[in-house]
Amino acid sequence: RKEVEQDPGPFNVPEGATVAFNCTYSNSASQSFFWYRQDCRKEPKLLMSVYSSGNEDGRFTAQLNRASQYISLLIRDSKLSDSATYLCVVDNYGQNFVFGPGTRLSVLP
Amino acid sequence: DAGVTQSPTHLIKTRGQQVTLRCSPKSGHDTVSWYQQALGQGPQFIFQYYEEEERQRGNFPDRFSGHQFPNYSSELNVNALLLGDSALYLCASSLKGQGPYEQYFGPGTRLTVT
Repeated sequence: RKEVEQDPGPFNVPEGATVAFNCTYSNSASQSFFWYRQDCRKEPKLLMSVYSSGNEDGRFTAQLNRASQYISLLIRDSKLSDSATYLCVVDNYGQNFVFGPGTRLSVLP
Repeated sequence: DAGVTQSPTHLIKTRGQQVTLRCSPKSGHDTVSWYQQALGQGPQFIFQYYEEEERQRGNFPDRFSGHQFPNYSSELNVNALLLGDSALYLCASSLKGQGPYEQYFGPGTRLTVT
């Protein structure tokens, strides 16, 4: 089993739709969690850290369930500019990042 | 505020050759991590440098080595290149001791081995 798994995708959604990405991780010792987005042939960019109580940043909401070892990302009112690959990342005290394979999102006009 | 920089941006090498990639961390950061990203996959952790020492290593052979300098910049060296080493090599910087250890990535070096 891979250490971090994500929805295989791709997700093709119309503008204005709400889309949810799911991620599971196998290492119960993982302490920090993040969502990164990566545009084609570019570097990953930090979208948001994920906190135990859940957190929101504008149209983006992240949730963490430590008991189920599950992380989610919800995007509301999708924009064309949200088209990218979304990477789920888990980390153990800054020792190393473990990336999921990514889920590709295409927002269609 | 300078972000993470990497050089070169692109590189073409032949099997068996050696390559050195360079990274300068974001201003104020002291930790550098290196990742390999093959096409269509998520980045894979190679190793992390802090205080000029390798602190953690992923599942990569000894052909992959690195160095960190007193100014926190870092190099990644790959010896005896294989075709399978063709990938995007990403450098990320962070600040040790400041959880949750958000890492910021450079634009990467795209290595092609022929």
